[in-house]
Amino acid sequence: AQSVTQLDSQVPVFEEAPVELRCNYSSSVSVYLFWYVQYPNQGLQLLLKYLSGSTLVKGINGFEAEFNKSQTSFHLRKPSVHISDTAEYFCAVSDPNTNAGKSTFGDGTTLTVKP
Amino acid sequence: DAGVTQSPTHLIKTRGQQVTLRCSPISGHKSVSWYQQVLGQGPQFIFQYYEKEERGRGNFPDRFSARQFPNYSSELNVNALLLGDSALYLCASSLDPYKTQYFGPGTRLLVL
Repeated sequence: AQSVTQLDSQVPVFEEAPVELRCNYSSSVSVYLFWYVQYPNQGLQLLLKYLSGSTLVKGINGFEAEFNKSQTSFHLRKPSVHISDTAEYFCAVSDPNTNAGKSTFGDGTTLTVKP
Repeated sequence: DAGVTQSPTHLIKTRGQQVTLRCSPISGHKSVSWYQQVLGQGPQFIFQYYEKEERGRGNFPDRFSARQFPNYSSELNVNALLLGDSALYLCASSLDPYKTQYFGPGTRLLVL
């Protein structure tokens, strides 16, 4: 069975500082990995995804993530955050060989960007 | 292009009642998945449908059921509502079960 652990439930950071949101996954098979952002009272927006190929994935809004198979991690980074990045961030994993549409999500990391 | 749409946006029900939530996928998408997101947690997989057939089911009781129509829209039904069913219900669509999902804005259900 797959599982996702987001290592930090809350990450406070000052505006223009760099940030890293950590995600570890557990899976016995190959994986697809995703990061989503959720603003208050809204649905999920896809930030970026790893399906195959290059381990460094670039997404929208200046975010990027690196797939590390040996450490089973998929950490999300941004070199300089803005107030508007304040939101809930979710890491998710799915099995491309059986059912990519059944994603397992972590419990989320609340990113708060302070002025 | 229009994204995934869900209706209604908000719903209030009382315990024991039944509820139907609706989802329209992105045009051309034939796969629809449903997720439940309880406050403070990540979404949990409920169902996936593809070409009108159930392709996957999460660990939810039989009170939860769903179906997909010929136009690929979908309904999620929940019977005998419990207080614990209060959550944001998210619908996601994809071209097929092996492609990236795109989420709708969700339906927020409150059970009193």
